[in-house]
Amino acid sequence: AQKITQTQPGMFVQEKEAVTLDCTYDTSDQSYGLFWYKQPSSGEMIFLIYQGSYDEQNATEGRYSLNFQKARKSANLVISASQLGDSAMYFCAMREAVSSNTGKLIFGQGTTLQVKP
Amino acid sequence: EPEVTQTPSHQVTQMGQEVILRCVPISNHLYFYWYRQILGQKVEFLVSFYNNEISEKSEIFDDQFSVERPDGSNFTLKIRSTKLEDSAMYFCASRRDRLGRDYEQYFGPGTRLTVT
Repeated sequence: AQKITQTQPGMFVQEKEAVTLDCTYDTSDQSYGLFWYKQPSSGEMIFLIYQGSYDEQNATEGRYSLNFQKARKSANLVISASQLGDSAMYFCAMREAVSSNTGKLIFGQGTTLQVKP
Repeated sequence: EPEVTQTPSHQVTQMGQEVILRCVPISNHLYFYWYRQILGQKVEFLVSFYNNEISEKSEIFDDQFSVERPDGSNFTLKIRSTKLEDSAMYFCASRRDRLGRDYEQYFGPGTRLTVT
């Protein structure tokens, strides 16, 4: 069964510093996708970044990068130059094989990030 | 930029009542989803819908739940007889296609359901 684990319930980071949010996953599929979503206090789910299992390079989107280590089954999110607006809950999620007609996402428990001024 | 919309933003209902949560997915999307998030917990998959039928449902999605796409634009989640434990944020999401890099699921803003 697929599983996502986020071991950090809460993290603090100083404004302008970088922070890494951990995510490990477990799947028997060869083809899968990994996602990070941000959930601010207002509740909406904001897509941040995606990594496909066959992508050879780590994904980057602006200040977000995904440190993908396939052998270790980890997909950590790195936020560079943290801003106060980055304070939110962050969820790691996995999508099952592309061949599936479902494409449902399995989410981790989330990590609350607080950026200190 | 197109977005997924959900109504209402907050619904309060009494235990045992029926509720219908409404979603308008992005117009050229083919896959539709409902997820729920109990306060302070992770987001959980409820059901996926493709080609006018349920493609997968979780064990949470029991006979009290149903989904419908009545008119080609709306996507609804009905809970027939609400229970206290149905109180949660319900998210609708849609996705365009499973091929290529159209992988992103676009989430709506959510409907907060409170059952009293």
